[in-house]
Amino acid sequence: NAGVTQTPKFQVLKTGQSMTLQCAQDMNHEYMSWYRQDPGMGLRLIHYSVGAGITDQGEVPNGYNVSRSTTEDFPLRLLSAAPSQTSVYFCASTLLAGDQETQYFGPGTRLLVL
Amino acid sequence: SQQGEEDPQALSIQEGENATMNCSYKTSINNLQWYRQNSGRGLVHLILIRSNEREKHSGRLRVTLDTSKKSSSLLITASRAADTASYFCATDAGGSEKLVFGKGTKLTVNP
Repeated sequence: NAGVTQTPKFQVLKTGQSMTLQCAQDMNHEYMSWYRQDPGMGLRLIHYSVGAGITDQGEVPNGYNVSRSTTEDFPLRLLSAAPSQTSVYFCASTLLAGDQETQYFGPGTRLLVL
Repeated sequence: SQQGEEDPQALSIQEGENATMNCSYKTSINNLQWYRQNSGRGLVHLILIRSNEREKHSGRLRVTLDTSKKSSSLLITASRAADTASYFCATDAGGSEKLVFGKGTKLTVNP
């Protein structure tokens, strides 16, 4: 199993540009989520999904869209990038209320918005 | 002082029973989250409830929020031994960018 994969690893955008951060998992986990981590702060939840076709907003959803057309993929879209979205983005997946006890995180995508 | 405080600090039940944990907080919030942490492992996000929501369900989990009492409860129904973990509530402490965690409730589900 590859676990949770994220692409790209690093991206530079200009203000106003749009892009999609990709996240995929091959563990057949129902639950997937996107976090951003800023210096000196804990993880903040952007969006999450409890299964294919179901998404919900987290703590800081503004400026981001998600979709979950398959169990495996959970892309995060930045509609019009702003410097405030400069951050490291982590995708995570876990079994929903199952016996799996660990939340698996991807390696992260470092995003710089100029 | 702690923004979120869980009650009880420890809870021991038999498999199949329901487990209820409570969280109280002090300042106004935009949302409240519940996390689980197994010994030696990272936090697992369980559920988020917004300040304009009163109840939310996810599988065997039921979360309620009473903003007038500044409290929330997490109910786990039909508990399993695998539910043994520490459970934390976390709030955004009045809309700040920082997530503030309580001290947690240690739940033990005996087979």
